[in-house]
Amino acid sequence: QQQVKQSPQSLIVQKGGISIINCAYENTAFDYFPWYQQFPGKGPALLIAIRPDVSEKKEGRFTISFNKSAKQFSLHIMDSQPGDSATYFCAASPLSGNTGKLIFGQGTTLQVKP
Amino acid sequence: KAGVTQTPRYLIKTRGQQVTLSCSPISGHRSVSWYQQTPGQGLQFLFEYFSETQRNKGNFPGRFSGRQFSNSRSEMNVSTLELGDSALYLCASSPGTRTEQFFGPGTRLTVL
Repeated sequence: QQQVKQSPQSLIVQKGGISIINCAYENTAFDYFPWYQQFPGKGPALLIAIRPDVSEKKEGRFTISFNKSAKQFSLHIMDSQPGDSATYFCAASPLSGNTGKLIFGQGTTLQVKP
Repeated sequence: KAGVTQTPRYLIKTRGQQVTLSCSPISGHRSVSWYQQTPGQGLQFLFEYFSETQRNKGNFPGRFSGRQFSNSRSEMNVSTLELGDSALYLCASSPGTRTEQFFGPGTRLTVL
């Protein structure tokens, strides 16, 4: 089944803390896993992405951890800042077919308190 | 480079009408995908175009259609609008069919 389950639905973190958002998928038919950040009134913005041949990718304060055997991947935001307050979406792209179709998780609303 | 642009940004229609939304991808990008975003269903894939050909289609009724022009600009059309079609419609462009996608700001459609 082509679904991506994301948790938690909402998250409150203190400034300077670590925000962790998790996603899980049900089959092995995905080979590209991006994370998007969306502010109110804006379209989603690509944050960071990973392919299953690596277990971790870091860009600045954002890190994706990928566990292929568990079919799970997560986003870690280090030193969280109030400006990081937004909705975060994980996504996955199917391996089959020559397509860029993205299947999104339900989103996590992050609030970083000053 | 300029980002993905979508027009109009806001639209109000009544049930039964039809609507056309436009998307201009990032210069040089040949793939355009459309997504519907609602509070209840989240982000759902509508369709994807590459070099004027529809590559993939999501699970939406036939009232939803799209096309892509030779300059990679894309339009989507929704006929016989229903209240449930109220949503943010997002367009994303990418250089190819299996590369990073960059989203526009969306068109907020309200159906009354």
